Amino acid sequence: DAMVIQNPRYQVTQFGKPVTLSCSQTLNHNVMYWYQQKSSQAPKLLFHYYDKDFNNEADTPDNFQSRRPNTSFCFLDIRSPGLGDAAMYLCATSRDTRQGSYEQYFGPGTRLTVT
Amino acid sequence: LAKTTQPISMDSYEGQEVNITCSHNNIATNDYITWYQQFPSQGPRFIIQGYKTKVTNEVASLFIPADRKSSTLSLPRVSLSDTAVYYCLVVASKIIFGSGTRLSIRP
Repeated sequence: DAMVIQNPRYQVTQFGKPVTLSCSQTLNHNVMYWYQQKSSQAPKLLFHYYDKDFNNEADTPDNFQSRRPNTSFCFLDIRSPGLGDAAMYLCATSRDTRQGSYEQYFGPGTRLTVT
Repeated sequence: LAKTTQPISMDSYEGQEVNITCSHNNIATNDYITWYQQFPSQGPRFIIQGYKTKVTNEVASLFIPADRKSSTLSLPRVSLSDTAVYYCLVVASKIIFGSGTRLSIRP
């Protein structure tokens, strides 16, 4: 039944060691999002894909990259994780947003620890 | 840039109606206002969305005045399982989650 799947649920990486988080969806939605959520804070949008079109938020650090090889999968790459990148990373999907609807379906998140 | 404001926390009792307001200025004229619920260690879950006036579904109502500078999520007859953080989401050149309201329900 899982519609947005994130793997792994928990990830530990070392300072400066590249890490990749993955997300897959069974909803066939056009749009996929990556959010960063730190403790007791609201989710913060990093970037999103509208089909293959990549949309980066202006304040997303260059250290964060993303790939969407097909409709179902999306990856978040953190090239050189710092201690400040420890957070929950949430993947979400939505249908076409051109009608102004932002009903998003979220995955369970990947909690990243940087040691 | 749009700014959203929500109460940090609210307390209520089982069976009561709870109203949570989000203030938001400068939001996009064509986009919906959306509300989410989040439990600890889970992703947010969609509750309801609306463009203006009033929308109701099986779990909540959403009231949006004509100027769209605020929205109020109404949860009828809350239960202990409604204890969670509630976020409004608006669009104003970018997607913005509100700061969240931590709702605690007591027996």
